[in-house]
Amino acid sequence: DSGVTQTPKHLITATGQRVTLRCSPRSGDLSVYWYQQSLDQGLQFLIQYYNGEERAKGNILERFSAQQFPDLHSELNLSSLELGDSALYFCASSFTSGGTDTQYFGPGTRLTVL
Amino acid sequence: AQKITQTQPGMFVQEKEAVTLDCTYDTSDQSYGLFWYKQPSSGEMIFLIYQGSYDEQNATEGRYSLNFQKARKSANLVISASQLGDSAMYFCAMCTFNAGGTSYGKLTFGQGTILTVHP
Repeated sequence: DSGVTQTPKHLITATGQRVTLRCSPRSGDLSVYWYQQSLDQGLQFLIQYYNGEERAKGNILERFSAQQFPDLHSELNLSSLELGDSALYFCASSFTSGGTDTQYFGPGTRLTVL
Repeated sequence: AQKITQTQPGMFVQEKEAVTLDCTYDTSDQSYGLFWYKQPSSGEMIFLIYQGSYDEQNATEGRYSLNFQKARKSANLVISASQLGDSAMYFCAMCTFNAGGTSYGKLTFGQGTILTVHP
């Protein structure tokens, strides 16, 4: 158990809908990262927050947004969902803002868009 | 830009034998870290081992060791005394600092290698 929690574990929804994925980092960690894992794209970095501020952005679609709250939990919002958004979404956390600090991953949320 | 290449889509090993999973990387940054993660069929990502670009000794964590060859830009994972529970997908990943010292938190991952351990 990495100490990072993600809810829900599974999510099935329809095209055009909006969903919210939630992540709680390990106790004491200030950074939260979101990654998407799909069969065709592999593991892709989406976005990072550090202590409530957006720190880095990767290949995140405009339909996706995220935030980190004062209690350091984070939410990833996915809207106008398409079939291609079906993937495993991971949250990871680390103590510092990144660099060579180890990132510990949550169990992931498997999103299926029908 | 950073790139990680794992050229072995699948590897097979006999239980109790050692196995090496290959990883090569490409970056123009001088400071970086290399990571290996394990993803069992259940889906979670488990951190295994870390090697910093300035570390002179190869990293070891129990049965895992990282064969770091900086000049060749390779960071191979060696698993000794394989166990059935080692069957999983293994990912090599990298994180870098830029020349200005700002850390980039994002991990760049390779495509992964599926390891199957036979009894």
